[in-house]
Amino acid sequence: GQSLEQPSEVTAVEGAIVQINCTYQTSGFYGLSWYQQHDGGAPTFLSYNALDGLEETGRFSSFLSRSDSYGYLLLQELQMKDSASYFCAAHSGNTGKLIFGQGTTLQVKP
Amino acid sequence: NAGVTQTPKFRVLKTGQSMTLLCAQDMNHEYMYWYRQDPGMGLRLIHYSVGEGTTAKGEVPDGYNVSRLKKQNFLLGLESAAPSQTSVYFCASSSGLAGGRTQYFGPGTRLTVL
Repeated sequence: GQSLEQPSEVTAVEGAIVQINCTYQTSGFYGLSWYQQHDGGAPTFLSYNALDGLEETGRFSSFLSRSDSYGYLLLQELQMKDSASYFCAAHSGNTGKLIFGQGTTLQVKP
Repeated sequence: NAGVTQTPKFRVLKTGQSMTLLCAQDMNHEYMYWYRQDPGMGLRLIHYSVGEGTTAKGEVPDGYNVSRLKKQNFLLGLESAAPSQTSVYFCASSSGLAGGRTQYFGPGTRLTVL
């Protein structure tokens, strides 16, 4: 079957760095995306990795290792507004067909 | 530029009733998707479309039908609603370039089936 595993909850303090890991098992793997969702609202795109290595976008970075079927999202200089759910999603093929993980709830404390 | 819009925002149905959810996008995107999200879960793909007039099944297509008669609209139909279809439904769209790498989501439709 196709599945993604990520921790259910992570807690960190404001200003800290947090890493959210994701392991995947999918057929036709094309890349790994990360989405943020606040309080059940619309998910918003954060980053995408098609190749091995690190992609950096401001305070957020994402990493992919295809050989290990593993990726992570790194959030730096945490802010209270970063409290949200974070989902990794594997692209199955190149038509944007996504398989989502169950999400990691990040709580940022003062 | 409204992005992706969904109609309605909330709906309550009785078991066996039918309804259609409408998704519209004004970004001229080729690809469109319907997902459902259950409490504490990730999103699961129901159906998707890679262009006007085309549709394909996702992970959980049973009990749903879709149509993409116009490029900007993607309709999701429930012919005979069941309590198991109580969920939040999200529509998304993406450009055909780069294999639909970035998906833009609508605000969701909260559906309750009694």
